Amino acid sequence: ETGVTQSPTHLIKTRGQQVTLRCSSQSGHNTVSWYQQALGQGPQFIFQYYREEENGRGNFPPRFSGLQFPNYSSELNVNALELDDSALYLCASSLGGWTGINEQYFGPGTRLTVT
Amino acid sequence: AQKITQTQPGMFVQEKEAVTLDCTYDTSDPSYGLFWYKQPSSGEMIFLIYQGSYDQQNATEGRYSLNFQKARKSANLVISASQLGDSAMYFCAMREGGETGGGADGLTFGKGTHLIIQP
Repeated sequence: ETGVTQSPTHLIKTRGQQVTLRCSSQSGHNTVSWYQQALGQGPQFIFQYYREEENGRGNFPPRFSGLQFPNYSSELNVNALELDDSALYLCASSLGGWTGINEQYFGPGTRLTVT
Repeated sequence: AQKITQTQPGMFVQEKEAVTLDCTYDTSDPSYGLFWYKQPSSGEMIFLIYQGSYDQQNATEGRYSLNFQKARKSANLVISASQLGDSAMYFCAMREGGETGGGADGLTFGKGTHLIIQP
């Protein structure tokens, strides 16, 4: 069973640029959630994709957008980067629908630095 | 109001002792799930234990147990016989969900507790 993978591991961007982060979900999982974790804080929910559609979103502006592909892998896109976007971005996959625990398995994260 | 409150920013515990990490939550949803995750310095979030709001018994997973007190809205994590490898950040999280969905709003995390196990 393959776990959740994310790429790249680290990334440095300049303010105003755009960035795409990638996530491959765990085998058999059809739901992907993205989280932003600023230094010293707990992760904050960005959005969730279930069967290729966004089905939940946290308090993040529209410049944070995403995609989910037929193989359930996902991308997080951030436009017009700001310094405050510097954070660890975590992807989590789960089996969607009300199956009880809906345990989310997290990837190792992508550390984004905006200068 | 914060939905998840972890009041212990940091804790030092002697190896082999038991440790309790505090977590209180706030929700008006009758159906919810509570999670504990461990985050080592590598950054990956590792699932430890889950408690559903309708579960009658406290959850246990090996050395981890969850002291669930619904009336007090608390979900403390208890680690028995702590080990050096338990040193990490620990996060309490909640998923609110009703009959129609599996928590499409994602998990709400607390700010975490930094646990350090001393030899």
